[in-house]
Amino acid sequence: ETGVTQTPRHLVMGMTNKKSLKCEQHLGHNAMYWYKQSAKKPLELMFVYSLEERVENNSVPSRFSPECPNSSHLFLHLHTLQPEDSALYLCASSQVLGKNEKLFFGSGTQLSVL
Amino acid sequence: AQKVTQAQTEISVVEKEDVTLDCVYETRDTTYYLFWYKQPPSGELVFLIRRNSFDEQNEISGRYSWNFQKSTSSFNFTITASQVVDSAVYFCALSEATGGFKTIFGAGTRLFVKA
Repeated sequence: ETGVTQTPRHLVMGMTNKKSLKCEQHLGHNAMYWYKQSAKKPLELMFVYSLEERVENNSVPSRFSPECPNSSHLFLHLHTLQPEDSALYLCASSQVLGKNEKLFFGSGTQLSVL
Repeated sequence: AQKVTQAQTEISVVEKEDVTLDCVYETRDTTYYLFWYKQPPSGELVFLIRRNSFDEQNEISGRYSWNFQKSTSSFNFTITASQVVDSAVYFCALSEATGGFKTIFGAGTRLFVKA
């Protein structure tokens, strides 16, 4: 069983659809993150949760809505996305929310917005 | 402000060659942390190493070695005797003490190792 599991692996959606990305970590970590990876660009931090409380919203458009019901699960709800939102969305976790904590990543959801 | 630059977009080598991946960072903090992650084709980033700004000792782990030089703000990564399984995207990252919890990543270097 991998440490951080993301579903689905691939998602194609229209601009008017509503979908959700799911992340689950089996490591007992207290912090979870959403990153966006676009081609040839640095990973962009989107959201950070610590002990189920959102502590960072990195200027992300409201069409992305995160949810962290417990310390093991993280969702990213998507609605009325744009084609430029097509990217690999990576979930990560760390033991605690700290400056030198190493991150454990899932395999990501490859999202295509048509 | 934090910034990580990986100037090499793609590198292609033949198996058994040595290869160095460059990483240059910018920070105003005296306390910070540097990381390297590997992203194989499966997608998940895998942690390789973490250094703090007070420890400039170079590190070797098997075929991997890291050269941290504060004077040039660089944290370069060398793979000795590269193998096909080393083919991946490699990311350098920086976390500042006063930057909170943000880990800032470079754009990554894609390494192709040909048999």
